[in-house]
Amino acid sequence: EAQLVESGGGLVKPGGSLRLSCAASGFNFGIYTVNWVRQAPGEGLEWVSSLSSRSTYIYYADSVKGRFTISRDNAKNSLYLQMNSLRVEDTAVYFCARYAPGYDGNGYWYFDLWGRGTLVTVSS
Amino acid sequence: EIVLTQSPGTLSLSPGERATLSCRASQSISSSYLAWYQRRPGQAPRLLIYGASSRATGIPDRFSGSGSGADFTLTISRLEPEDFAVYYCQQYGTSRLIFGGGTKVEIK
Repeated sequence: EAQLVESGGGLVKPGGSLRLSCAASGFNFGIYTVNWVRQAPGEGLEWVSSLSSRSTYIYYADSVKGRFTISRDNAKNSLYLQMNSLRVEDTAVYFCARYAPGYDGNGYWYFDLWGRGTLVTVSS
Repeated sequence: EIVLTQSPGTLSLSPGERATLSCRASQSISSSYLAWYQRRPGQAPRLLIYGASSRATGIPDRFSGSGSGADFTLTISRLEPEDFAVYYCQQYGTSRLIFGGGTKVEIK
């Protein structure tokens, strides 16, 4: 069964850093574009970042550009999100999500597999 | 930039009833690049519909999507207990990736 499992969330002070991980299993991770999507408490979903299968295409939401870095290790079937200069408004559950097949690297696509998320709390 | 508005915010219905959820875009969405997801508390979001009307793998046929241009609808023909959840629409394609604010379907 295809699965994504996030980890690395926790409590961090404003200005701090955190690194999230997403472990993939049950499918060929190396051929998919994968993403981070977040949901702040009481809010809707917000796409954060995308990374193509060979790390050729990288996209970020304006709200995190310059502060967050997405990366992957296909040999370890893992996706990462390095979050620096964290702000209170970055508090959210962070989901790892896979683009469905058919994505050609241009623009954006839809997600056919999600993890359950990991909670990041930015507070002093 | 495109904004997706979902209505109603909350839908109170009983099991067996029909649910009709709306997702309205501030401008036309090209190629009907619209998806719907279900989110149950503590669970991973689940893809229901893509391309405005295509059911994802394993999704029961009581879920259907329709619409084009700027107006889209998710219909659940007969609500099952496990269908009470929050539903999100999502626009994709070349311009932007955004989600609607969600509709909560709750038990009446």
